[in-house]
Amino acid sequence: GENVEQHPSTLSVQEGDSAVIKCTYSDSASNYFPWYKQELGKRPQLIIDIRSNVGEKKDQRIAVTLNKTAKHFSLHITETQPEDSAVYFCAAPNQIIFGKGTRLHILP
Amino acid sequence: DGGITQSPKYLFRKEGQNVTLSCEQNLNHDAMYWYRQDPGQGLRLIYYSQIVNDFQKGDIAEGYSVSREKKESFPLTVTSAQKNPTAFYLCASNLRQQTDTQYFGPGTRLTVL
Repeated sequence: GENVEQHPSTLSVQEGDSAVIKCTYSDSASNYFPWYKQELGKRPQLIIDIRSNVGEKKDQRIAVTLNKTAKHFSLHITETQPEDSAVYFCAAPNQIIFGKGTRLHILP
Repeated sequence: DGGITQSPKYLFRKEGQNVTLSCEQNLNHDAMYWYRQDPGQGLRLIYYSQIVNDFQKGDIAEGYSVSREKKESFPLTVTSAQKNPTAFYLCASNLRQQTDTQYFGPGTRLTVL
């Protein structure tokens, strides 16, 4: 069946440094790749997404890169800030399977 | 996210009782989803529906049931057959399953006493 693997499960970075989270999927037939952020006690919300006709998308400090050949996409956060501390989820291309999440800690 | 609501926010249930969680959206979305989230864990799919009067089981459907009689409503019933129902339940919707952002409701925290 379809599967999605997200790594790492926990990530701690110094404030101001960069963070990268990777998601690997098995279904090759899709064209939509989202990342969601869930702050403590709140609902997940989309922070960035990419469609398969591009390899990279950037929105200020956040970027997503896609490698369809290798079946993985990655979330990049630069110049991390305390408010970036949260759990981040990728969704498998069919959007009904989520990665297990990455808990990002921004250290002062 | 303001267009999708869940009620109640907190729910307490005695063992052996069925309970129904409400999910309503006014976004005119075709697809709706129910997820379960346990502490420190990801989102696990219970059921989803791509169109009215049709729904499919997710990975952990046992002990749960749903209905989709109206486009805007997708209630989830947690039955007594669900052995460990205490969890945070999230409802979501999107325009089309595969290609659009999911919008999540605020969630219902269910506790079995």
